[in-house]
Amino acid sequence: GDSVTQMEGPVTLSEEAFLTINCTYTATGYPSLFWYVQYPGEGLQLLLKATKADDKGSNKGFEATYRKETTSFHLEKGSVQVSDSAVYFCALNDYKLSFGAGTTVTVRA
Amino acid sequence: EAGVAQSPRYKIIEKRQSVAFWCNPISGHATLYWYQQILGQGPKLLIQFQNNGVVDDSQLPKDRFSAERLKGVDSTLKIQPAKLEDSAVYLCASSLESSFQETQYFGPGTRLLVL
Repeated sequence: GDSVTQMEGPVTLSEEAFLTINCTYTATGYPSLFWYVQYPGEGLQLLLKATKADDKGSNKGFEATYRKETTSFHLEKGSVQVSDSAVYFCALNDYKLSFGAGTTVTVRA
Repeated sequence: EAGVAQSPRYKIIEKRQSVAFWCNPISGHATLYWYQQILGQGPKLLIQFQNNGVVDDSQLPKDRFSAERLKGVDSTLKIQPAKLEDSAVYLCASSLESSFQETQYFGPGTRLLVL
């Protein structure tokens, strides 16, 4: 069945550092790919998405490219801020939304 | 635009008791989902409704869990009787339709602790 594997955390960074969270997937069809974020004390919210191969999703300085050849959707941000501290979930939707386990990111001033 | 509403936000019960959660989706959203999120894991789909019909309940433990979506709007999820392993956050989400490209919008969740 469909599955998502994402980089284990926790990840701790200093402000203005480069962030990468790896995500790979297994799917039988051609899924849409998503990154959701959960800020402390808040609900899950969509960060970005890509619906077909080679699409790039972007939002709030974050980017991820749908790579069908490597079945990956890695999340990147060039310069993180303290406000980016959150749990990040990679997910795919083929016939239902399947999530990775989440990666906790802490950014220190 | 109002988001997905859920209540209660927190619930503590004894094992073998029953509990119910309520969800009000974003206005106009035909598809409603219930997820279970155990600590340290990603959310897992329990049930999906399209209007007031069930699309997928393959992961719902039907011996103890039930859900309904009367009139195609609000939904309730019930657990009876609860077990210790049901301790989790129960998330409700909605989307305009059930296409795999659609964004699902999540509510704040109900945190359940079973003692």
